[in-house]
Amino acid sequence: DAGVIQSPRHEVTEMGQEVTLRCKPISGHNSLFWYRQTMMRGLELLIYFNNNVPIDDSGMPEDRFSAKMPNASFSTLKIQPSEPRDSAVYFCASTSGRGTDTQYFGPGTRLTVL
Amino acid sequence: GDSVTQMEGPVTLSEEAFLTINCTYTATGYPSLFWYVQYPGEGLQLLLKATKADDKGSNKGFEATYRKETTSFHLEKGSVQVSDSAVYFCALRSPYNQGGKLIFGQGTELSVKP
Repeated sequence: DAGVIQSPRHEVTEMGQEVTLRCKPISGHNSLFWYRQTMMRGLELLIYFNNNVPIDDSGMPEDRFSAKMPNASFSTLKIQPSEPRDSAVYFCASTSGRGTDTQYFGPGTRLTVL
Repeated sequence: GDSVTQMEGPVTLSEEAFLTINCTYTATGYPSLFWYVQYPGEGLQLLLKATKADDKGSNKGFEATYRKETTSFHLEKGSVQVSDSAVYFCALRSPYNQGGKLIFGQGTELSVKP
C-alpha cells in the first residue's frame, strides 16, 4: 500500500494568495483527519471526516480555512486568503475507524506564507 | 473532556541510558492508548498501543503498560540509541467517539547523545 499521500510536500506563497493542500487516504479507510503542527501550538486537529461527512470542524481556525472530501479517495484543505501565521506543517491522516485501528499519517505539507 | 498530559521536554540522554516518558490521561470509560513517534521531517507513526487495562504494548524495545488505577501509560526503553532521537506523542481514543478521533498530548522531544 502506498500509504497516505499528500501534495505538495512544500508550498511557498505570498500573503493573500489561495493555497490548496491535497490528501489521498489509504484505500478502504473511511475516516480522514487534517492536522496542523507548529512549534508554538504543537499538533492541532483541524477537522475530520467519517464516510466523507465532516464530523468535527471545531479546530478550524477561522473562515479562511475550508475542507472538503468529495469522495472516499480525496480531500482538500484550502486557505483563502493565506496569512504568514498560517505557516506550519499540515498533516493528513486516515484510519478505518473500526475498533482500535491505527491512524496512518502522511508525510505532511510544509507551508510557508511570506 | 478527554485529555492527555505528557512530561515536558526536551529530554536529553546518553546512549544506552534508561528512558521514561510519563503520560497520564483523563477520559470517560475505557479508552485505547497509543504512543506515536515523529522522526525529524516525517509524519507521526504508531509506535505501540494498548486497548485495555493491564495490557502492555511493545515495539522496537519500547514498552508501555495501560494502568487504569493511575490513569497512566508511561513509555519506557531500557537502552536508548541515537536513532531514537525523535518527538514522542501519547494519545487516547475514546470508545464513544465516532470515526477514530485521537486526543494527543503535547509531545516530548527526546535527544540521545553518543
